[in-house]
Amino acid sequence: DGGITQSPKYLFRKEGQNVTLSCEQNLNHDAMYWYRQDPGQGLRLIYYSQIVNDFQKGDIAEGYSVSREKKESFPLTVTSAQKNPTAFYHCASRGTGTKNTIYFGEGSWLTVV
Amino acid sequence: KQEVTQIPAALSVPEGENLVLNCSFTDSAIYNLQWFRQDPGKGLTSLLLIQSSQREQTSGRLNASLDKSSGRSTLYIAASQPGDSATYLCANILGGTGNQFYFGTGTSLTVIP
Repeated sequence: DGGITQSPKYLFRKEGQNVTLSCEQNLNHDAMYWYRQDPGQGLRLIYYSQIVNDFQKGDIAEGYSVSREKKESFPLTVTSAQKNPTAFYHCASRGTGTKNTIYFGEGSWLTVV
Repeated sequence: KQEVTQIPAALSVPEGENLVLNCSFTDSAIYNLQWFRQDPGKGLTSLLLIQSSQREQTSGRLNASLDKSSGRSTLYIAASQPGDSATYLCANILGGTGNQFYFGTGTSLTVIP
C-alpha cells in the first residue's frame, strides 16, 4: 500500500546528542514536509522540500537539519543545538497541483532524557 | 503571515447531536483549505479538501464549507458518535507561497455516549 513511513515511533535523546528521524514515502510525491507539534498546540513547520536536492526553512528551523538526496526520503536530524526538542514530529508529503491533498505519517515522539 | 484560529478549543457534546467546528484565517488568498482528524498520539488523517473555487465538500456525515471573503471555514458533523472523539484541525495553502500549509491549533471534540 502507498503511504508515508516514519521511524522510530518513540525516540529518547540524551543531552548533547544528535538524533535522526526517518521519513520514507512511496507515493511519488515531490513535496515533503516536517512539522513539530507540542502538546495541545498546532503544527509548526520545520523544513520543507519541493524537489530532490532542494529544501527550505520553515518557521522553526533552528536546531534542525534535513537532506533530500532521494525523492522518497526526507530525514530530519535534531541537533544538540535544539534546546527543547521534546515534541511529536510529523512527516508529510504532497503531489504537485492545488488539488492534491497532503498525507501524513504516523508521527514520531521524541523525548529528552 | 497567515494566522489560522480554531474556536472552540474544546467541545463536549452528547451522542447524536449535530455540531459545528469553526476555522478562521487572516489572509483570504488561499489555494485550498483542508480539514484533518488527529487521534491521540497519532498522525493526521485528511477528512475533506475544499478548493478555493468551491464553497463546500461533503463526505458521509461531514460537510465542510468555505467562505474566502470572510476568511472562514466550518466543519459540520451530523449525528455525532463516540468514535468521532478526536482533535480536528484545519489548514490552508496561500497562493504564491509554494507548498507551505498553515495549521490551526485544533478543536478537541469529545462525544459522550
